[in-house]
Amino acid sequence: AQSVTQLDSQVPVFEEAPVELRCNYSSSVSVYLFWYVQYPNQGLQLLLKYLSGSTLVKGINGFEAEFNKSQTSFHLRKPSVHISDTAEYFCAVSARGVQGAQKLVFGQGTRLTINP
Amino acid sequence: ETGVTQSPTHLIKTRGQQVTLRCSSQSGHNTVSWYQQALGQGPQFIFQYYREEENGRGNFPPRFSGLQFPNYSSELNVNALELDDSALYLCASSLATIGGGSTDTQYFGPGTRLTVL
Repeated sequence: AQSVTQLDSQVPVFEEAPVELRCNYSSSVSVYLFWYVQYPNQGLQLLLKYLSGSTLVKGINGFEAEFNKSQTSFHLRKPSVHISDTAEYFCAVSARGVQGAQKLVFGQGTRLTINP
Repeated sequence: ETGVTQSPTHLIKTRGQQVTLRCSSQSGHNTVSWYQQALGQGPQFIFQYYREEENGRGNFPPRFSGLQFPNYSSELNVNALELDDSALYLCASSLATIGGGSTDTQYFGPGTRLTVL
């Protein structure tokens, strides 16, 4: 069964500093990975996704992630964060059920707090 | 292009009551998935509807049920509410493609915050 572990529950960073949010996955089949962001009192917004091809994936708002099959990781990075990046970030792996449903299996989330 | 919308935004119910949450999928999408997000947790998959049929369910009891309509909008019904049902309920829509499946991208609505007292 697929699973996701987000290694840090909270990450405090100063504004304009770089940040890395860590995600490890477990999957016995083809791997499709996603990062979503959740701003306070809102739903989830897709940041980026890895389906195939280049292991370095670029997303919105200056974020990027690197798929590493040997380390089963999909870490999210941004070279310089802004106050507006303060949010909860979720890593997810896509899994296909026997009836054909595609479900997302999410990690517990990482709260990113940007300090001025 | 209209995004995923959900109603109501907030809802307060008492234990034992029944609730219906609604979701309108993004224009052009034919699949709706529902997730429950408890406070401080990641979303958990409840079930998915494709062409008005449930085609997958997570680890949720039968008192969680749903419908999908011909226009691809959807409802989530929860009977006999329990205190632990208090959560943010998220709807996500996607376009199921032949041979796609696991690569389909799900787009989420803003959620309905359900409080059970």
